[in-house]
Amino acid sequence: AQSVAQPEDQVNVAEGNPLTVKCTYSVSGNPYLFWYVQYPNRGLQFLLKYITGDNLVKGSYGFEAEFNKSQTSFHLKKPSALVSDSALYFCAVRGSDYKLSFGAGTTVTVRA
Amino acid sequence: NAGVTQTPKFRILKIGQSMTLQCTQDMNHNYMYWYRQDPGMGLKLIYYSVGAGITDKGEVPNGYNVSRSTTEDFPLRLELAAPSQTSVYFCASGTTEAFFGQGTRLTVV
Repeated sequence: AQSVAQPEDQVNVAEGNPLTVKCTYSVSGNPYLFWYVQYPNRGLQFLLKYITGDNLVKGSYGFEAEFNKSQTSFHLKKPSALVSDSALYFCAVRGSDYKLSFGAGTTVTVRA
Repeated sequence: NAGVTQTPKFRILKIGQSMTLQCTQDMNHNYMYWYRQDPGMGLKLIYYSVGAGITDKGEVPNGYNVSRSTTEDFPLRLELAAPSQTSVYFCASGTTEAFFGQGTRLTVV
């Protein structure tokens, strides 16, 4: 069975500092990996994906993520966080059966 | 520019009632998904579909049913609603990344 782990319930950073949100996964076959963001009372918005190719992928709003096959990780990063980045972030994995599974989410708070 | 449309946005059901949550997408996506999100929790996959006529169970299918007669529509049926089904329900569709609807907030009392 496939699974996604986000080990931190909350991440707090100061504005202008680097932001990292951790994600590890377990899946059969080659993974499709995704990051989504959710603002209060809204649906999920797609940020970025890894399918194949370069291990460092760039996405919306200055976010990027690094795929590490040996560590089965896909950590989300932003070099300089903004207060407006405060939200709930989800990592997701899709396996060969097309099932799309999500982690429990990490709440990011960026203080001014 | 509709994307994924879910109806209704809000609903209150009494215990034992049934209802159908509607989901339609206009992007010709093969893959569609239903999730529930409980307060402070992540998304749990209820059912998913890889194309018209094909559906499969996710992590929490009990108490729900789905059908996929067309590419566009993927309704979720709740039979005999229970308080444990109080949640926010999200429908999504995609080919690689998934696009989400705005959700249906369901309360069972």
